[in-house]
Amino acid sequence: SQQGEEDPQALSIQEGENATMNCSYKTSINNLQWYRQNSGRGLVHLILIRSNEREKHSGRLRVTLDTSKKSSSLLITASRAADTASYFCATDSGNTGKLIFGQGTTLQVKP
Amino acid sequence: NAGVMQNPRHLVRRRGQEARLRCSPMKGHSHVYWYRQLPEEGLKFMVYLQKENIIDESGMPKERFSAEFPKEGPSILRIQQVVRGDSAAYFCASSLSTGVVDTQYFGPGTRLTVL
Repeated sequence: SQQGEEDPQALSIQEGENATMNCSYKTSINNLQWYRQNSGRGLVHLILIRSNEREKHSGRLRVTLDTSKKSSSLLITASRAADTASYFCATDSGNTGKLIFGQGTTLQVKP
Repeated sequence: NAGVMQNPRHLVRRRGQEARLRCSPMKGHSHVYWYRQLPEEGLKFMVYLQKENIIDESGMPKERFSAEFPKEGPSILRIQQVVRGDSAAYFCASSLSTGVVDTQYFGPGTRLTVL
């Protein structure tokens, strides 16, 4: 089964609102990364949070990590139509760096 | 600094043919990962290579699939005798090292369609 599972599977909001996506995982991790994928495109790296970090910010993005609950959240503030994409969390839990991806959350931001 | 390059971007093959997918990592990166994405799903790890070595192939199907990363040139993912179920997007990622905090940078992917 997937290491990471995102929730919700789909999210539709109005421009200017905040979007929150959650990710749960099963095993201990080295780090957790969030990626964005626009339809039919490759993945763009958004942010990496290490297992010993609890929160990280990058522009309008805020990521939290709770290792006791094995969960992470991605908050996008003041959303824009251009944020419309699928968002994936990926965990690195081994010693080879391979990433285990969740199923993703599809975000639609309506103008 | 060019990003990860993959070619071709789209590849159409008939059942039984061979598919060759190429990946050039970012400059200075010696670690390459291949992932497969089926429609409406997340990415699934296939194989991790360093120059001339396969480090982890736990996600590779046992038959028909092979990967290499020669000393010179791009990494190649080869699928022999393709079947319709091989239709997917194949992504390559590269990293500078395999440290626990290293970021993987992804290419645009190759979309394989098997007729």
